[in-house]
Amino acid sequence: QLVLTQSPSASASLGASVKLTCTLSSGHSSSAIAWHQQQPQKGPRFLMSLNSDGSHDKGDGIPDRFSGSSSGAERYLTISSLHYEDGADYYCQTWDKGIEVFGRGTKLTVV
Amino acid sequence: QVQLQESGPGLVKPSETLSLTCTVSGGSFRLYYWSWIRQPAGKGLEWVGHMQVSGNTNYNPSLKSRVSMSLDTSENQFTLKLTSVTAADTAVYYCARVEGPSYCSRGSCLWYMDVWGKGTTVTVSS
Repeated sequence: QLVLTQSPSASASLGASVKLTCTLSSGHSSSAIAWHQQQPQKGPRFLMSLNSDGSHDKGDGIPDRFSGSSSGAERYLTISSLHYEDGADYYCQTWDKGIEVFGRGTKLTVV
Repeated sequence: QVQLQESGPGLVKPSETLSLTCTVSGGSFRLYYWSWIRQPAGKGLEWVGHMQVSGNTNYNPSLKSRVSMSLDTSENQFTLKLTSVTAADTAVYYCARVEGPSYCSRGSCLWYMDVWGKGTTVTVSS
C-alpha cells in the first residue's frame, strides 16, 4: 500500500525560501503527486501536479514563487520569497490503484 | 470557471444517515472523477470516495460498508450518503473535481483534485 510521508511542521522567515518534502513509500518512487495548500480556516487549493522527473504543472493563478522538483522517492515543494499568507498546511496527494492517498500534511509557519 | 458548492444538514443524529450534495457550476461532468474528502477538526484530509459519470466508483476501504455516491448530470450535482454515523464522522466535508490521467508511469497514472469546494461542517450529535 502506497504511503506518503510528510514532516509535521516547518518554519521559515519572511522573504526567505523553504523546501517541503513528501516521500513515497518503498516501490513507488516513480509515482507522480499533487501538492495542495490549505490556509487557516479555508478549504484546500490545488497548487501543482509533480512528476518523478521534476516536471510540474501549476494550477491557475499559482505564483511563480511556487515550484516543484523530485529526487528518487522524494517530491519537493519550494516556496521562495515567503509571504505571511504562505503560512498554511501543505498536503501531498497521489493515486494508487483507484484510491486517492493523502500525506498527513506539513504545517508551515512564516516568522 | 468551475465552482463547487457543498450543501446539506449541519447536524445529524447518531445512527442516522448523513446526506450531502455538491453542485457544480461552470463545467461539465464528463471525463472527470468527482470526489468527497473530509477533515475532522485539527486533523488532516481523509478521502471518502469518488465516482465518474460512467458509474465507476471507489470508496475508502475504511468507510466502504457505509458509503454510497450518486451523480445527477441533469442537475449538475453529485451526492454523498454515509449511514450509521457516529461522533467520529463529525468533520468538514469537501467535494472536489478530480483531473487526470496525467504523468503515467509503468501503467499507473496520477489523478488529482484540481478544483475544491469551500466545505460544509457536519456535526454528529443527539
